Amino acid sequence: AQRVTQPEKLLSVFKGAPVELKCNYSYSGSPELFWYVQYSRQRLQLLLRHISRESIKGFTADLNKGETSFHLKKPFAQEEDSAMYYCALSGYNQGGKLIFGQGTELSVKP
Amino acid sequence: GAGVSQSPSNKVTEKGKDVELRCDPISGHTALYWYRQSLGQGLEFLIYFQGNSAPDKSGLPSDRFSAERTGGSVSTLTIQRTQQEDSAVYLCASSSQGLNTEAFFGQGTRLTVV
Repeated sequence: AQRVTQPEKLLSVFKGAPVELKCNYSYSGSPELFWYVQYSRQRLQLLLRHISRESIKGFTADLNKGETSFHLKKPFAQEEDSAMYYCALSGYNQGGKLIFGQGTELSVKP
Repeated sequence: GAGVSQSPSNKVTEKGKDVELRCDPISGHTALYWYRQSLGQGLEFLIYFQGNSAPDKSGLPSDRFSAERTGGSVSTLTIQRTQQEDSAVYLCASSSQGLNTEAFFGQGTRLTVV
């Protein structure tokens, strides 16, 4: 079955520290992977997608097919990065349906 | 309107009553999703509409839940005989056709069953 797992419900770091939000997936085929973010009182929005290989707000994510992981990383966390982060998966096998993980709340302390 | 619009923003209902939640997607978007966001449960997939294809209803938790999409645009999620465990934020999203396209989310409807 297609599944996205985010093992950490809460991740707390200090400002300036590196941060890594873990995401593992199971999918039979070649999935499309995404990270979505929800800031306080705002709508859920796309942060980045693996196919674009881009860095958004200093965040990057590399798709590791061997480990079936798509961890989100940032070398120096900022207080404004505090938010709820969701890893998501899509693919041909499910007609483009987006499946989300349980989410990780990132708290960056001053 | 430029974004996905959901109504109402908040709904308080008595246990056993039926509720209807509405979603207006971005014009031209062929894909429409409903999710349920509960504390500690993340984003639970409910139903997915894509163009004229049969909807993927695999995420609906019980037969009390149903959804329709009229004319390929507006969608309504109906919950019959609401239960307290139905209390959650219901999110709608839409996207243009294509696997790697961005999904745009509405602000959600917070449903409270008392």
